Amino acid sequence: KQEVTQIPAALSVPEGENLVLNCSFTDSAIYNLQWFRQDPGKGLTSLLLIQSSQREQTSGRLNASLDKSSGRSTLYIAASQPGDSATYLCAVTSYSGAGSYQLTFGKGTKLSVIP
Amino acid sequence: DGGITQSPKYLFRKEGQNVTLSCEQNLNHDAMYWYRQDPGQGLRLIYYSQIVNDFQKGDIAEGYSVSREKKESFPLTVTSAQKNPTAFYLCASSIGPDTSYEQYFGPGTRLTVT
Repeated sequence: KQEVTQIPAALSVPEGENLVLNCSFTDSAIYNLQWFRQDPGKGLTSLLLIQSSQREQTSGRLNASLDKSSGRSTLYIAASQPGDSATYLCAVTSYSGAGSYQLTFGKGTKLSVIP
Repeated sequence: DGGITQSPKYLFRKEGQNVTLSCEQNLNHDAMYWYRQDPGQGLRLIYYSQIVNDFQKGDIAEGYSVSREKKESFPLTVTSAQKNPTAFYLCASSIGPDTSYEQYFGPGTRLTVT
């Protein structure tokens, strides 16, 4: 069964710092990997989706990389801002049998950017 | 604006009562999903539907029921058989019949059962 781990569980950084969030998964047979942002009490906002054939995706100050063979992904945030404070979730899509696919989530990394 | 709506945002019920959470999407997506989120845990899949009039159990379906009579709507009923119903419930949708497509999430419903 697929398991997704995110380290660290919480991170506090000063404004302007570059940072990296880590995600690892146990089964490398994935179809894609998504990074989401969740603000307190809110739904999830998709940040980046990396297909299994891709190595990285970029959107603005965000860059996500994928190393499928080692079961790892990183989310790089450049020049962090207080508005980046949120919980970041990693999720992978894997085949779950009977023609279906399933998204498996990590528990998230809670990021605080200090002004 | 296209998107996913969930109502209500907050819901309070007495123990022993069934309650139905609404999820509507106007993205013309075929697939829809229900997840449950508890503090300190990742999202867990309750039910999903790939097409109208068809749905499958996820990892934690016990105590829940769903229907998919219309493409736009995927309501979730939390029954009295669900032992720990208090949680944050999230609905999602994706374009295709399988979840290899990007999933889009609604704003969530926080259910409190006392």
